[in-house]
Amino acid sequence: GAVVSQHPSRVICKSGTSVKIECRSLDFQATTMFWYRQFPKKSLMLMATSNEGSKATYEQGVEKDKFLINHASLTLSTLTVTSAHPEDSSFYICSARGEIETQYFGPGTRLLVL
Amino acid sequence: TQLLEQSPQFLSIQEGENLTVYCNSSSVFSSLQWYRQEPGEGPVLLVTVVTGGEVKKLKRLTFQFGDARKDSSLHITAAQPGDTGLYLCAGDHSGYSTLTFGKGTMLLVSP
Repeated sequence: GAVVSQHPSRVICKSGTSVKIECRSLDFQATTMFWYRQFPKKSLMLMATSNEGSKATYEQGVEKDKFLINHASLTLSTLTVTSAHPEDSSFYICSARGEIETQYFGPGTRLLVL
Repeated sequence: TQLLEQSPQFLSIQEGENLTVYCNSSSVFSSLQWYRQEPGEGPVLLVTVVTGGEVKKLKRLTFQFGDARKDSSLHITAAQPGDTGLYLCAGDHSGYSTLTFGKGTMLLVSP
């Protein structure tokens, strides 16, 4: 199947700092990328959908000024958690979709805010 | 909001037992995907079902899509400890760009 990578896989930061997470589709062009948040032993919660070259569409309750999403190319999307707080600690997963409908998921990024 | 009810939410069984996980919805899906996720990793696609009544097999895993494309099931035969993980179903509605996820089934298979 298609390969999607995320970087970093784990990050620890101090409260108040910003953290950027990258999501890359390695062997296909992703017209749409998705960002999810997942709590322990729970399902995925969609945060936002981004299409290359346009503004992301955020789900209800997700602060767009706090979770900045950039989809500058067909292979790269970034999620920046601004002014991170301990409650932002979570597992963040991206997925990418190309010409076919199947979404391929990245390995996730574990964020811990101290 | 399109809902996808997944059950059971948690299942603990012994090695060698069979099990079935269900996903049900009141709406029709153009396709439905099953994923398996291990702790600390992203979900891995197991199968996509598209046609009503379709049955797909992946070794000891059997996936079925309901005739009306509103429900799906995953059956595991002779479960093994390596099957342990979070199983997620996700439905795709034609015309929507996002997937609707079930709440997941946490499967624990003990040796």
